[in-house]
Amino acid sequence: DAGVIQSPRHEVTEMGQEVTLRCKPISGHDYLFWYRQTMMRGLELLIYFNNNVPIDDSGMPEDRFSAKMPNASFSTLKIQPSEPRDSAVYFCASSPLAGGLNEQFFGPGTRLTVL
Amino acid sequence: AQSVTQPDIHITVSEGASLELRCNYSYGATPYLFWYVQSPGQGLQLLLKYFSGDTLVQGIKGFEAEFKRSQSSFNLRKPSVHWSDAAEYFCAVGGGDDKIIFGKGTRLHILP
Repeated sequence: DAGVIQSPRHEVTEMGQEVTLRCKPISGHDYLFWYRQTMMRGLELLIYFNNNVPIDDSGMPEDRFSAKMPNASFSTLKIQPSEPRDSAVYFCASSPLAGGLNEQFFGPGTRLTVL
Repeated sequence: AQSVTQPDIHITVSEGASLELRCNYSYGATPYLFWYVQSPGQGLQLLLKYFSGDTLVQGIKGFEAEFKRSQSSFNLRKPSVHWSDAAEYFCAVGGGDDKIIFGKGTRLHILP
């Protein structure tokens, strides 16, 4: 089985541009999580979905960030407009059951650089 | 609120030496505890997890961890490290809701 798929793997953009990160979770997993990893703050949960419904977006840093999950096999994280401080590695993870009780399967991440 | 503390940001050990990475957690009920490993440029991979039962749990790649409720700890150990173990290690705690809280990580360096 394919694991969690993320695209692109690397993204370099200029400040003010819109950035869209994509994630395909493992088939059959009901939970999808978006994380951001930086040296300063470590791994932060941004938002998670259960059965395509956003459950907790309290980690989304600003209104510039938005996430959608239009169906069970696809999710996007959008930053508009992007800023240099958004530079980080963004991970998507999925889990078959309640995430706090079960392993989360991580994608390889998208390294975002905003110039 | 749940929290995880990994007191060591960096650890350096010689190849073949034993390893212990420390993890302390704060959680009001019985915690679900995890150790993940992240190799450079990769996502996180589960090494092992503890939910209940035997407090010494075995994981992949020869790692083990021991849950000590009295010390609120879940330290990761390996009797003999290999150069390929150089990576970042994350302790995490989960519980009654859907989220897992990750520690800041410990970066392991291996000396030849």
